[in-house]
Amino acid sequence: IAGITQAPTSQILAAGRRMTLRCTQDMRHNAMYWYRQDLGLGLRLIHYSNTAGTTGKGEVPDGYSVSRANTDDFPLTLASAVPSQTSVYFCASSENSGTDTQYFGPGTRLTVL
Amino acid sequence: GQNIDQPTEMTATEGAIVQINCTYQTSGFNGLFWYQQHAGEAPTFLSYNVLDGLEEKGRFSSFLSRSKGYSYLLLKELQMKDSASYLCAAMDSNYQLIWGAGTKLIIKP
Repeated sequence: IAGITQAPTSQILAAGRRMTLRCTQDMRHNAMYWYRQDLGLGLRLIHYSNTAGTTGKGEVPDGYSVSRANTDDFPLTLASAVPSQTSVYFCASSENSGTDTQYFGPGTRLTVL
Repeated sequence: GQNIDQPTEMTATEGAIVQINCTYQTSGFNGLFWYQQHAGEAPTFLSYNVLDGLEEKGRFSSFLSRSKGYSYLLLKELQMKDSASYLCAAMDSNYQLIWGAGTKLIIKP
């Protein structure tokens, strides 16, 4: 593989269920990010990781958690999904944090009913 | 607060030139990015400006005025494949990107 992959591509989930969105990159990038994209709004940062073993909160972190056990993987977990978490979720990575260009995965379309 | 403004939608003709404007207000500034996003796809990087002036890259150019909090993306010789949304994003003092809602560009033959 080359670049960033995300799984699943799409998912319909009942409210209250737990869900993990997967993100893997093979570019050996140090920094990774999770965004959500909603109609009429700009991308909003949920969580980020500047390097393996560290994570930070973005603009809209409530209801989400992340981990960064290694360089390649950055899963996003919704502990108890709510309908307001219906969105398209994009994972991105950059060589380093700061002004390095961010490269995006194909996205996961999540619907919470 | 932090804010990015760009037009919601623009229409242009194949072969023509179009300019997409973006104004920003951020806490600190570490540069301005433009991304292209086709419907149902991921954003892809187009340009990055941190100094005032025009950066040209093939048919696409991007301009920045830091004193005015203003940027534009200029697309020349428009092609049908340029139909997409164009996202403006400013990087704040924490090196986090603040994104506009995007400008949907419709190209007509």
